[in-house]
Amino acid sequence: DGGITQSPKYLFRKEGQNVTLSCEQNLNHDAMYWYRQDPGQGLRLIYYSQIVNDFQKGDIAEGYSVSREKKESFPLTVTSAQKNPTAFYLCATHRQGELFFGEGSRLTVL
Amino acid sequence: SQKIEQNSEALNIQEGKTATLTCNYTNYSPAYLQWYRQDPGRGPVFLLLIRENEKEKRKERLKVTFDTTLKQSLFHITASQPADSATYLCALYTGGFKTIFGAGTRLFVKA
Repeated sequence: DGGITQSPKYLFRKEGQNVTLSCEQNLNHDAMYWYRQDPGQGLRLIYYSQIVNDFQKGDIAEGYSVSREKKESFPLTVTSAQKNPTAFYLCATHRQGELFFGEGSRLTVL
Repeated sequence: SQKIEQNSEALNIQEGKTATLTCNYTNYSPAYLQWYRQDPGRGPVFLLLIRENEKEKRKERLKVTFDTTLKQSLFHITASQPADSATYLCALYTGGFKTIFGAGTRLFVKA
């Protein structure tokens, strides 16, 4: 089935550690996004990529990094510089006005 | 400042009634507006898109209106069912590959 796969679904991190969230898509969409969701707030854009080997910062990029080496893959690294990383992270692709989301990864800092 | 506002309070309605959710925005000129459904612990799922030159869009039991003068969209679910219980997100596409989301409204449909 076509779709977006995020892994892991749940992740625990100790303070000071970097962690990488995986996002893979087989929809053949060019644009990919990472959003962060916190309770009571709208989804906030971290990074987005329109094509391979190119990406742009969103509204809350500090403390995060991404790469786009393949069309299918857009991993997000949450670095130790991110002061409040506990959140629900959503990866998405975009086509003709519609965003297609993965099932999300919930990161908890211990 | 730019804002998207959705009712933060949950909406409780009886099965069979029409649910109406509101999305208000300020300081945006969106090309189009979208509504998504999100279940707990899951990613949002696209429901409907309405363009700035459209007043109304329907899909099965769903209806969306878009008033660019009032800067408001209304989302209706007719003949609501308990399975419609979820959080509904309003989103504006402002151009440049950027979509801005509201915080969502939680809907509970009681049998």
